[in-house]
Amino acid sequence: DAGVIQSPRHEVTEMGQEVTLRCKPISGHNSLFWYRQTMMRGLELLIYFNNNVPIDDSGMPEDRFSAKMPNASFSTLKIQPSEPRDSAVYFCASLPGSYNSPLHFGNGTRLTVT
Amino acid sequence: ELKVEQNPLFLSMQEGKNYTIYCNYSTTSDRLYWYRQDPGKSLESLFVLLSNGAVKQEGRLMASLDTKARLSTLHITAAVHDLSATYFCAVDTGNQFYFGTGTSLTVIP
Repeated sequence: DAGVIQSPRHEVTEMGQEVTLRCKPISGHNSLFWYRQTMMRGLELLIYFNNNVPIDDSGMPEDRFSAKMPNASFSTLKIQPSEPRDSAVYFCASLPGSYNSPLHFGNGTRLTVT
Repeated sequence: ELKVEQNPLFLSMQEGKNYTIYCNYSTTSDRLYWYRQDPGKSLESLFVLLSNGAVKQEGRLMASLDTKARLSTLHITAAVHDLSATYFCAVDTGNQFYFGTGTSLTVIP
């Protein structure tokens, strides 16, 4: 299994630009999570989906952030417009339907907004 | 709001020594996970603890869970340099995972 695949690995953009991060979960996993990691705030849950449906988006910082999961094998996290304070590492993780399983993380996208 | 607190946040220890990392959480849960993260890398699952009194061991690391005390420990035995990393605990409340602040471990030769 290829694991959770995220792209791009690194993204550098200017303030005000739109940024789209992509995630392909492990095949057969039915839950998908987006996390943001910074030195100051640690790991923050932004949103999670179950069977492609957003269940909890209370962690999305503001309206500039949006996430979609159009099918079981693909999700996007979009920031529009981006700001320097959005600079962080964004992780996607997936979870199988079986109980008591750990999250499987992707390699993350390091976003730098200048 | 659920809180997951780890201590210490930073740990510098000599090779060959023993130490324990603590993870306290503020809600009822009987599922707790430990992860390892190397600098610039992803999080890797280490242990899955699913009941009160659960104990898991892998090499020089041993994790335990006391659900009544809402406490998990990660014990390091005879540390080696390869164990240098950041360790996170995570509490599962039912498909939501709440992560601790992380403990950055540096093992000094």
